Amino acid sequence: SQKIEQNSEALNIQEGKTATLTCNYTNYSPAYLQWYRQDPGRGPVFLLLIRENEKEKRKERLKVTFDTTLKQSLFHITASQPADSATYLCALVRYNNNDMRFGAGTRLTVKP
Amino acid sequence: EPEVTQTPSHQVTQMGQEVILRCVPISNHLYFYWYRQILGQKVEFLVSFYNNEISEKSEIFDDQFSVERPDGSNFTLKIRSTKLEDSAMYFCASRRLLAGGREEQFFGPGTRLTVL
Repeated sequence: SQKIEQNSEALNIQEGKTATLTCNYTNYSPAYLQWYRQDPGRGPVFLLLIRENEKEKRKERLKVTFDTTLKQSLFHITASQPADSATYLCALVRYNNNDMRFGAGTRLTVKP
Repeated sequence: EPEVTQTPSHQVTQMGQEVILRCVPISNHLYFYWYRQILGQKVEFLVSFYNNEISEKSEIFDDQFSVERPDGSNFTLKIRSTKLEDSAMYFCASRRLLAGGREEQFFGPGTRLTVL
């Protein structure tokens, strides 16, 4: 069966450090991988999208990598701030498909 | 900035009752979605809707569920006979045009459904 796993349920880091979150998948061939941020009681908010033929994408302090051989995406937040504390979700979509499948999320806490 | 809106923010209902959750997607968007999130669990895809018909649905979206776009702005999710396990946050989302996952989805704030 298809599985999308995010490395840990919770990650605690110190302000200023780089947070690295992992998304692994099995029995799935995504064409696109998206990362979302979700705050408690709110809907997910889009952060970055990466295509299967792209290795890396950056946006300000965020960086995403996508390795289709390892079936893994890494999501980095550099120079982390307490305001980055949230749950981060990876989501996969197959080519020309409309159902987007989410991982369970990693709850990041950045301590001052 | 345009946003997806959902009403009500919280709905409490008795088991076996019908509920309708309402969404107003962003006005120039063409693809619409419903997701649910049971407390403490992951966001789960329910259904996608394009050109006035369902384009995909998950195994969760059984005969108890239906979706409709009754006019040019609203998008609704109906649950015919609610069960206790339908208690969850329901999110509506929309996106513009490009096929598949090539662009972001915009999510609404959610409706918390509580079935007693």
